[in-house]
Amino acid sequence: GQSLEQPSEVTAVEGAIVQINCTYQTSGFYGLSWYQQHDGGAPTFLSYNALDGLEETGRFSSFLSRSDSYGYLLLQELQMKDSASYFCALLGAAGNKLTFGGGTRVLVKP
Amino acid sequence: GAGVSQTPSNKVTEKGKYVELRCDPISGHTALYWYRQSLGQGPEFLIYFQGTGAADDSGLPNDRFFAVRPEGSVSTLKIQRTERGDSAVYLCASSLRGPGANVLTFGAGSRLTVL
Repeated sequence: GQSLEQPSEVTAVEGAIVQINCTYQTSGFYGLSWYQQHDGGAPTFLSYNALDGLEETGRFSSFLSRSDSYGYLLLQELQMKDSASYFCALLGAAGNKLTFGGGTRVLVKP
Repeated sequence: GAGVSQTPSNKVTEKGKYVELRCDPISGHTALYWYRQSLGQGPEFLIYFQGTGAADDSGLPNDRFFAVRPEGSVSTLKIQRTERGDSAVYLCASSLRGPGANVLTFGAGSRLTVL
């Protein structure tokens, strides 16, 4: 099976940078995804790493190291609207199933 | 449609009753997924369809849960003899490609409360 660990909560102020770490255990996978979910809303896709290294999408960047079984999501220039839960998720080796971590709740303060 | 549509948005039922939850995926998306999310937790995989067939139903918790997608578009998740532990938000997602799909588009979910 697969399992993912991420911190439960992070608090930061507007304009700051936040890094959400994700460690995982798996026997094989296609890639690591990140999703954002506001309270009461649907999870929405943020980023995907198929290969080791950094992927940058605007204020958000994601990193993957397969040798360390580790990834992170970097949120830069934090805005109030970034207050949400963030989930890392492994796309399984069969390529047909996302397994989610428990989520990290990010609270942005003025 | 423009997005993934799920109905009902909210369902309250009594223990032991039968429930159906509907998902209308994005037009043209061949892959469809059902997840279940409890408060404060990540989505938990239930079942995946590629076209009309259930390609992976390993996440269905027991035989009270069943899902269909008869024409390869709309899907229905069916729960028999509901239990209080079934209370959760049931999320549906679709994607353009099956194997290798890395971008799932989720619906807003159906919140099920079993009294």
